[in-house]
Amino acid sequence: AQSVTQLGSHVSVSEGALVLLRCNYSSSVPPYLFWYVQYPNQGLQLLLKYTSAATLVKGINGFEAEFKKSETSFHLTKPSAHMSDAAEYFCAVSASGGSYIPTFGRGTSLIVHP
Amino acid sequence: SQTIHQWPATLVQPVGSPLSLECTVEGTSNPNLYWYRQAAGRGLQLLFYSVGIGQISSEVPQNLSASRPQDRQFILSSKKLLLSDSGFYLCAWSLQGAGNTIYFGEGSWLTVV
Repeated sequence: AQSVTQLGSHVSVSEGALVLLRCNYSSSVPPYLFWYVQYPNQGLQLLLKYTSAATLVKGINGFEAEFKKSETSFHLTKPSAHMSDAAEYFCAVSASGGSYIPTFGRGTSLIVHP
Repeated sequence: SQTIHQWPATLVQPVGSPLSLECTVEGTSNPNLYWYRQAAGRGLQLLFYSVGIGQISSEVPQNLSASRPQDRQFILSSKKLLLSDSGFYLCAWSLQGAGNTIYFGEGSWLTVV
């Protein structure tokens, strides 16, 4: 079984501040991990993906995430928030064996203040 | 490159009316296909997925159904809509196998009145 917990349904930051969106996962086998972004009234777009090649994964728009097995975490960060980063962010986990259909977290809404 | 399209983008339907949302994928063969729903302020709910023509798995019992008449076509249907069917519906695809990225369509807003 696999699951994802995103801590905080809303995160508010000032423009230029560090962005940190938290994701913890549970998986009985080595996982694949994803972060997606959803802008209003649009589908989800892949930000980055962890496939065990490297623990620090760089994605689009300056985002990166670090896989920490000991903490079962895959937090998303960006050094400096931009107004255009305001969106909904989803973490997802997919198992490397058995059912490979990803399980999505409930999402975190990122609010960026000027 | 691969693309995914779903339509209509928005629709308003009365309670008890039928529903048909369509989705097509181009540029790949034998994809996995998915239908998700987002209710307001909630996360993604997987409704159906398909690993091949005519093969549909339902994740949530409801008055919706899905069909895959062709390799790259996925249809979400209902015979009689309920108010609770309102939401944002997303079609998606991925390659077969573990760890593959799911790619989403633009979404369809359904309001049942």
